[in-house]
Amino acid sequence: DAGVIQSPRHEVTEMGQEVTLRCKPISGHNSLFWYRQTMMRGLELLIYFNNNVPIDDSGMPEDRFSAKMPNASFSTLKIQPSEPRDSAVYFCASRPLAGEGTDTQYFGPGTRLTVL
Amino acid sequence: GNSVTQMEGPVTLSEEAFLTINCTYTATGYPSLFWYVQYPGEGLQLLLKATKADDKGSNKGFEATYRKETTSFHLEKGSVQVSDSAVYFCALTPFTDKLIFGTGTRLQVFP
Repeated sequence: DAGVIQSPRHEVTEMGQEVTLRCKPISGHNSLFWYRQTMMRGLELLIYFNNNVPIDDSGMPEDRFSAKMPNASFSTLKIQPSEPRDSAVYFCASRPLAGEGTDTQYFGPGTRLTVL
Repeated sequence: GNSVTQMEGPVTLSEEAFLTINCTYTATGYPSLFWYVQYPGEGLQLLLKATKADDKGSNKGFEATYRKETTSFHLEKGSVQVSDSAVYFCALTPFTDKLIFGTGTRLQVFP
């Protein structure tokens, strides 16, 4: 089975540009999480969805960040406009809401974002 | 509230040494406990988990026992290898959708 797929793996952009990160969860997983990892702040939960519905976006830093999940197999995290302090590794994770393993999140390889 | 406290790293060991990474937690109720591992340049992978008191999770020679009386879930391995060099995260899920992570402990193993 394919794991969580994220694209791009690396993104370098200039301040002020729009950035879109993409995630495809594991097939059959109907809960999806977006995390950000930095040296200073560690691993932070930004937002998560259950059945494509945003449940908790309290971790989203500010209005420049937005996330969508238009269907069960795709989610995006958008930053507009981007700033240098947004530089981080962004992870997507998924888990099933029923059956075995509902308490275990499976992480993608991450997108390393650098904003110049 | 719910929180996880891990020992500060880095932990530096020689190959075949014994490893302990301490993890303690604060939680309401009886959470599930996890150890995740992050190898360089990769995402987090589940290493092991335990869902109730006195359970022992184990995988790849690593073990951790859910100790309710000491609110701990220490990670141990009897003989580490260079390939175990990574960052290890202790985490809990207190019967909500979220995972609460510790700050991570970097392990460096030298030949």
